[in-house]
Amino acid sequence: GQSLEQPSEVTAVEGAIVQINCTYQTSGFYGLSWYQQHDGGAPTFLSYNGLDGLEETGRFSSFLSRSDSYGYLLLQELQMKDSASYFCATPTGGFKTIFGAGTRLFVKA
Amino acid sequence: DTEVTQTPKHLVMGMTNKKSLKCEQHMGHRAMYWYKQKAKKPPELMFVYSYEKLSINESVPSRFSPECPNSSLLNLHLHALQPEDSALYLCASSQDPGGNQPQHFGDGTRLSIL
Repeated sequence: GQSLEQPSEVTAVEGAIVQINCTYQTSGFYGLSWYQQHDGGAPTFLSYNGLDGLEETGRFSSFLSRSDSYGYLLLQELQMKDSASYFCATPTGGFKTIFGAGTRLFVKA
Repeated sequence: DTEVTQTPKHLVMGMTNKKSLKCEQHMGHRAMYWYKQKAKKPPELMFVYSYEKLSINESVPSRFSPECPNSSLLNLHLHALQPEDSALYLCASSQDPGGNQPQHFGDGTRLSIL
């Protein structure tokens, strides 16, 4: 089967850096994506890693290590508006994407 | 606001009603998706349309019936739903059906079954 594991909750303070980890077990691997979803809102695509290494988009970066079946999302200079759920997701090789259970990030003042 | 538009935003219906959810995108995307999301859970895939053809049906009960009238529109017809079908229904689209393409989600329809 295919599965993704990520922590259920993370708490950090405004201005800090937080890392949300995702480990995966897949029969094939076609990359790792990250989505953000605020309460009551739509999931929003943040980043995609198809190859090992770091992808940077503003305050957000995502990292992938295929040999370790592991990736993470790094959020820098945390702001209150970053409080949301973050999902890692991976395609299954067909047209399907599966999502991790999600990590709820709480940013405190 | 998102580039994928879903209507209605909220829907309350009885178990004997028939209703439809609508989704529209004008980004020229060729893949469209329906997801179901329960509170504090990830989106669960229901259907995938690729180039207007149904490509994936994730063993969804027949009381949910998808339709793709053209490349910009996606409908989900509902009939004889159960209380456990109450959830947020999300539509998404991507440029191509390849799984590494970013998916653009609508704001969803919050469905309540009485």
